[in-house]
Amino acid sequence: QSALTQPASVSGSPGQSITISCTGTSSDVGNFNLVSWYQKHPGKAPKLMIYEVTKRPSGVSNRFSGSKSGNTASLTISGLQAEDEADYYCCSYGGSDTVFGGGTKVTVL
Amino acid sequence: EVQLVQSGAEVKKPGESLKISCKGSGYSFTSYWITWVRQMPGKGLEWMGRIDPSDSYTNYSPSFQGHVTISADRSINTAYLQWSSLKASDTAIYFCARHWGVSGYYYDWGQGTLVTVSS
Repeated sequence: QSALTQPASVSGSPGQSITISCTGTSSDVGNFNLVSWYQKHPGKAPKLMIYEVTKRPSGVSNRFSGSKSGNTASLTISGLQAEDEADYYCCSYGGSDTVFGGGTKVTVL
Repeated sequence: EVQLVQSGAEVKKPGESLKISCKGSGYSFTSYWITWVRQMPGKGLEWMGRIDPSDSYTNYSPSFQGHVTISADRSINTAYLQWSSLKASDTAIYFCARHWGVSGYYYDWGQGTLVTVSS
């Protein structure tokens, strides 16, 4: 499986909304509703933000939301805050294995 | 409280062998899979493979198949990632994560183990 395709960087001002795309194939993203998103700060373990495309774990702000259309999943962060600045990774089950996206650096201007 | 505690940082030479560990506590170890994830310096997360500790069934990414071995000892609630011959390119932080079912998402993570391979 090749890595899922994410934009290298996305930026926004505080209070704005941003969307990160994650493009896979009909073998992974398009075939399973098993996309998850992780926030990663340097030196820390990844943190689950969204699972099964749209579900949000307890304790994660409702400013984070997920969606999917065809082979592309998306993570939207609304009301951008300084603490949202981090790397974000999508991840999809692909049957015999699982694959991460290349990661997107979110910068809060 | 669910915890995944990984072994400490390692410094090795090329060609040496290594086994790092991930000890689970606070849950039924054999009820959840363990996945290993690599993060090379300045790079993104890479899925390496997973193991079902109940029967030691494993899946590997084609990128890592044959170069690493994932195993588990359910008697001590510990999963392992091992190399028989390290390369400089194995320098990375390695994370373990637990998940429900083969396709599950990763809610709980270990703290990461830094492996440095240098002559």
